[in-house]
Amino acid sequence: DADVTQTPRNRITKTGKRIMLECSQTKGHDRMYWYRQDPGLGLRLIYYSFDVKDINKGEISDGYSVSRQAQAKFSLSLESAIPNQTALYFCATSGVSSFGADTQYFGPGTRLTVL
Amino acid sequence: GDSVTQMEGPVTLSEEAFLTINCTYTATGYPSLFWYVQYPGEGLQLLLKATKADDKGSNKGFEATYRKETTSFHLEKGSVQVSDSAVYFCALSAMFSGGYNKLIFGAGTRLAVHP
Repeated sequence: DADVTQTPRNRITKTGKRIMLECSQTKGHDRMYWYRQDPGLGLRLIYYSFDVKDINKGEISDGYSVSRQAQAKFSLSLESAIPNQTALYFCATSGVSSFGADTQYFGPGTRLTVL
Repeated sequence: GDSVTQMEGPVTLSEEAFLTINCTYTATGYPSLFWYVQYPGEGLQLLLKATKADDKGSNKGFEATYRKETTSFHLEKGSVQVSDSAVYFCALSAMFSGGYNKLIFGAGTRLAVHP
């Protein structure tokens, strides 16, 4: 089973709709992240959480909100989706690994299209 | 602020050719440097990392050396395979308040290897 899972994997929605993307992890990591990927821009950090009570804005948080329901779950919401939020969204977790401390592990991504 | 610049793609090679993907960075302090790989339809996977100047990260035949004097972390492989076709992201780990690290990504370089 995958260590970091995301649901849904694909979603098409309309402008103005509320959307929630969910992320679950079985790695036991405290730290979780949401990124968006746009062609030619790499990945940009939306929100990050270092434990259930610690949530912080990343570089592009406007139009998004998050909820850390438990250590293993971190959800991203678009309260009122707009077309320029069409992107590939990745959840990640981080913790100690054979690569060293604070290595980030990514989920498979959610492709969101806002019409 | 901290940033990562990598060569634009796509890079198209024949099987068994030598690969170089250039990456340079701007950072205050001494960041850790990473290469991530994204295969079609999948999330990002950590390929290799280096944590200090002159360190060489290596994995699966790929190598990259942390060059502080040229602020570079170029990815190389001596003989590529069709299965190496993917998008490669260079990233650095930047410290921010609270003593935690965040990843800053380059735009990604697509590699296509033909038989």
